[in-house]
Amino acid sequence: DAKTTQPNSMESNEEEPVHLPCNHSTISGTDYIHWYRQLPSQGPEYVIHGLTSNVNNRMASLAIAEDRKSSTLILHRATLRDAAVYYCILRGGNKLVFGAGTILRVKS
Amino acid sequence: KAGVTQTPRYLIKTRGQQVTLSCSPISGHRSVSWYQQTPGQGLQFLFEYFSETQRNKGNFPGRFSGRQFSNSRSEMNVSTLELGDSALYLCASSLGTSFYNEQFFGPGTRLTVL
Repeated sequence: DAKTTQPNSMESNEEEPVHLPCNHSTISGTDYIHWYRQLPSQGPEYVIHGLTSNVNNRMASLAIAEDRKSSTLILHRATLRDAAVYYCILRGGNKLVFGAGTILRVKS
Repeated sequence: KAGVTQTPRYLIKTRGQQVTLSCSPISGHRSVSWYQQTPGQGLQFLFEYFSETQRNKGNFPGRFSGRQFSNSRSEMNVSTLELGDSALYLCASSLGTSFYNEQFFGPGTRLTVL
């Protein structure tokens, strides 16, 4: 299973943008890049996914490097409710292979 | 639309017993996956079912098994419980098995083995 590398933790101020990086140098051509997050005491929640092009949805944006070896999840205005563990996942099959993720702390 | 439901939410068992956990997917979803979450190992894939067939299996011993019914509901069973089986067990459903299908997770069943 292809692996991803994320920082252990990041901190952000409320109302400011947050850029969560992910390295995936061993990505294969058919792997989708998925992001999930897990709020305290909840199951993981889908955030966004992409293959080659940048993607936007109501929750976030996903910027994918041209060589696809890295990507960045962008939360445009962090709120206290965005404090969670964010997982970057390469998906080449139906199973999700979770790494340790990035703990995002949001300060008010 | 109702989300993924899991029952029971909490369970306490003793070593050597067996346990069955249940998962009801979102209506219309035919794929159900199971994950185990522990502080030490994080989230690990157990198995995936689609149309009553196991499509994928993680690296867990045979004590962990599952099945899916014709209405897409799924159960997982753990026999001969060990202390290390204490974990949060999460079920996720999706429309299909494509790489881009979003998975919707339930709240999990917290299993404690004494």
